[in-house]
Amino acid sequence: EAQVTQNPRYLITVTGKKLTVTCSQNMNHEYMSWYRQDPGLGLRQIYYSMNVEVTDKGDVPEGYKVSRKEKRNFPLILESPSPNQTSLYFCASSLRSGGNTEAFFGQGTRLTVV
Amino acid sequence: GENVEQHPSTLSVQEGDSAVIKCTYSDSASNYFPWYKQELGKRPQLIIDIRSNVGEKKDQRIAVTLNKTAKHFSLHITETQPEDSAVYFCAANGNYGQNFVFGPGTRLSVLP
Repeated sequence: EAQVTQNPRYLITVTGKKLTVTCSQNMNHEYMSWYRQDPGLGLRQIYYSMNVEVTDKGDVPEGYKVSRKEKRNFPLILESPSPNQTSLYFCASSLRSGGNTEAFFGQGTRLTVV
Repeated sequence: GENVEQHPSTLSVQEGDSAVIKCTYSDSASNYFPWYKQELGKRPQLIIDIRSNVGEKKDQRIAVTLNKTAKHFSLHITETQPEDSAVYFCAANGNYGQNFVFGPGTRLSVLP
């Protein structure tokens, strides 16, 4: 089944403790991205990757890191999480350049930083 | 960069009535406009999209219209049903097509 898989689904952590949210897609998509969803603000892009080893900042990149060592994986890293990063996070992938084809979303990761 | 506005933020309709959600965008170079539906606790999923070379597209009870001159596009849902209750996001491509910018969302409630 074609899908985008994120883990974990739920995470509660403490301020400053590094964490990684994994994202994997099995559709051989070139483009992957991370969004955060906050009430009233919609989906805001954090980082995106147009292909292996190619990443770029989205609209809200501060406090996040990403890497794209393999085509299928695009982990999101929070080196020192803070409470304002409490949010619902979605990974998404598209066949090619991110603004021209359908984005397929993962199930979401609800992160709480205390 | 691209900026997408969406109205209304909440919308309640009676079952069987029509619902209309409107979006505006700022970047005249944008040429792809998808609509996503997010049911409670679920991921966003594409329901319909339109490209700038057409003015209207329809798929059963949903349709999207695009006015490039005015830089706005709308989602129309006819004969609404309870399962249409969800949050709807419009989006436009920006940054020379490299990514999407989403609107803030519209929470649609279809009342029985």
